[in-house]
Amino acid sequence: QVQLVESGGGVVQPGRSLRLSCAASGFTFSSYGMHWVRQAPGKGLEWVAVILYDGSKKYYADSVKGRFTISRDNSKNTLYMQMNSLRAEDAAVYYCAKEGATVWGSGFYGLDVWGQGTTVTVS
Amino acid sequence: DIQMTQSPSSVSASVGDRVTITCRASQGISTWLAWYQQKPGEAPKLLIYSASSLQSGVPSRFSGSGSGTDFTLTISSLQPEDFATYYCQQTNSFPPYTFGQGTKLEIK
Repeated sequence: QVQLVESGGGVVQPGRSLRLSCAASGFTFSSYGMHWVRQAPGKGLEWVAVILYDGSKKYYADSVKGRFTISRDNSKNTLYMQMNSLRAEDAAVYYCAKEGATVWGSGFYGLDVWGQGTTVTVS
Repeated sequence: DIQMTQSPSSVSASVGDRVTITCRASQGISTWLAWYQQKPGEAPKLLIYSASSLQSGVPSRFSGSGSGTDFTLTISSLQPEDFATYYCQQTNSFPPYTFGQGTKLEIK
């Protein structure tokens, strides 16, 4: 079945780095844009980053720009997020999510598959 | 950047009630809007995309409408499993793909 499984979360000191992974299965990973979305404890959803299906373009929320790097390995069906210079406010559950169909130049049909999330604690 | 504002922030309702949640975009996004449901301890679930298209497997009591800057999510007859938090998200071609702040639907 279609599935996303995140890993790599944990406890990290402020200023240190962490790399999250998201393993995809059950669909053609190389055909879809992929996103990271996070949720701080007791807070709402915050969009973090997106990478196009072929890795050619990447976009970030201002809150992580210059510190986080999204990447993908389509040969391994895996999405990554390299998080550097972590801050207390980066503590959250991080979800990877798959885009629904994309209409180039117009938009996409929501995030239709989500992982279970991985928890990052900065302390 | 496009800001998304949901109202109300919370709402209390009873099983069988009709509930409407509103989402407003700070600039026009045509129909590039999605709605999600999230229950405690779970990942969000896509309910509606393109403002009014029902995601496969989602019950027909859920519906969405709107275009431009104003959108609504309606649950026609609340069921016990619908008590959750609901989020809108703008999905047009320009990131950031901002979420609304969420609406918590509670049992009256």
